[in-house]
Amino acid sequence: GAVVSQHPSWVICKSGTSVKIECRSLDFQATTMFWYRQFPKQSLMLMATSNEGSKATYEQGVEKDKFLINHASLTLSTLTVTSAHPEDSSFYICSARPSGGAYEQYFGPGTRLTVT
Amino acid sequence: GQQLNQSPQSMFIQEGEDVSMNCTSSSIFNTWLWYKQDPGEGPVLLIALYKAGELTSNGRLTAQFGITRKDSFLNISASIPSDVGIYFCAGPPQGGSEKLVFGKGMKLTVNP
Repeated sequence: GAVVSQHPSWVICKSGTSVKIECRSLDFQATTMFWYRQFPKQSLMLMATSNEGSKATYEQGVEKDKFLINHASLTLSTLTVTSAHPEDSSFYICSARPSGGAYEQYFGPGTRLTVT
Repeated sequence: GQQLNQSPQSMFIQEGEDVSMNCTSSSIFNTWLWYKQDPGEGPVLLIALYKAGELTSNGRLTAQFGITRKDSFLNISASIPSDVGIYFCAGPPQGGSEKLVFGKGMKLTVNP
């Protein structure tokens, strides 16, 4: 149980284009989902907290207009990287916290974004 | 903000050996979580701890929630090559936040 999927697993896009990443909880409902970014050999950096039916809460320094988050249902959150630039290239990972559960988060397999 | 100090940062061991790692905080945590991340993958939850003094096992893994609530450790017994990866401790900061604070990770290498 507690499976989270992400799509796509990797994507290459041109500078200036937008990319959408989907995060789905497959066997549980998640009122709250989280989006992280991870640089090589570093820990996870929280970008934003996504709550179903409300606006996402962004961490300090994360541009909300650049990283658009939508949590349309209890099993789906999307992250759209708008007007991507090479510095946005990174490993993006989502996680989901089961509704009514404790603090544990279940992570997706990640999406490798490369902007050329 | 609250930080978790995880040590050691890396370990190189022989297959069959036991390994221990720990995580400390300057403030109290009410939950401790241990994750493992393989290269190119997302972290996988190994063990969750909810009570001070709690000792929990998951196969060859054993984790404990420190009595002071400011530390936790994870032991892996009889290591095998597939134990290779990065192990993270994590916990929710005080104040009721849903967010998790992560340690910097411990990279484990197991030589067959």
